[in-house]
Amino acid sequence: QKEVEQNSGPLSVPEGAIASLNCTYSDRVSQSFFWYRQYSGKSPELIMSIYSNGDKEDGRFTAQLNKASQYVSLLIRDSQPSDSATYLCAVLGSNYKLTFGKGTLLTVNP
Amino acid sequence: ETGVTQTPRHLVMGMTNKKSLKCEQHLGHNAMYWYKQSAKKPLELMFVYNFKEQTENNSVPSRFSPECPNSSHLFLHLHTLQPEDSALYLCASSQDSTDSGNTIYFGEGSWLTVV
Repeated sequence: QKEVEQNSGPLSVPEGAIASLNCTYSDRVSQSFFWYRQYSGKSPELIMSIYSNGDKEDGRFTAQLNKASQYVSLLIRDSQPSDSATYLCAVLGSNYKLTFGKGTLLTVNP
Repeated sequence: ETGVTQTPRHLVMGMTNKKSLKCEQHLGHNAMYWYKQSAKKPLELMFVYNFKEQTENNSVPSRFSPECPNSSHLFLHLHTLQPEDSALYLCASSQDSTDSGNTIYFGEGSWLTVV
């Protein structure tokens, strides 16, 4: 059973702070990793993908991947109240199936 | 507008009813998916179609029946459902389900309530 683990939260940060979201996965052969954002009552929206070790930056978002540790994270700089949502980590495993974590609820307080 | 359109957005049905969920993608993709999202549980993959062929049935009960007439359309036929089947059903598409760089895009979802 391929697993993706996330801290369910809630993670609460003040506006302007850095929010750090973490994810671990069990399938060592996984090659592709994704972060989705899901607002309450809405569908998941892709915000970042990462395929190789290291950091990938896109605006206020930075994804970090460490395949040796089977760990992927998402940093959100200068957090805004509009960033309040559930963040889903998803991992494409060796069987080409995308496995999702349960998600971390982030609340950014004004 | 996500490029993946689902109808209806909300559906309430009795346990003896038969209904269908519809999904259409306008992204030129070849793979389509049904996912189920229940409260406090991860997104669960139900079915995968790649180039109109079903490639994945994730041990889904037979009261859920998918249909994929072409690469742009996907249906989920529902009959004799149970209250525990109440959930958000998400359709998604991607270029090719066998591609390691596969990125999946979701529709807005259909909220299903079984009474």
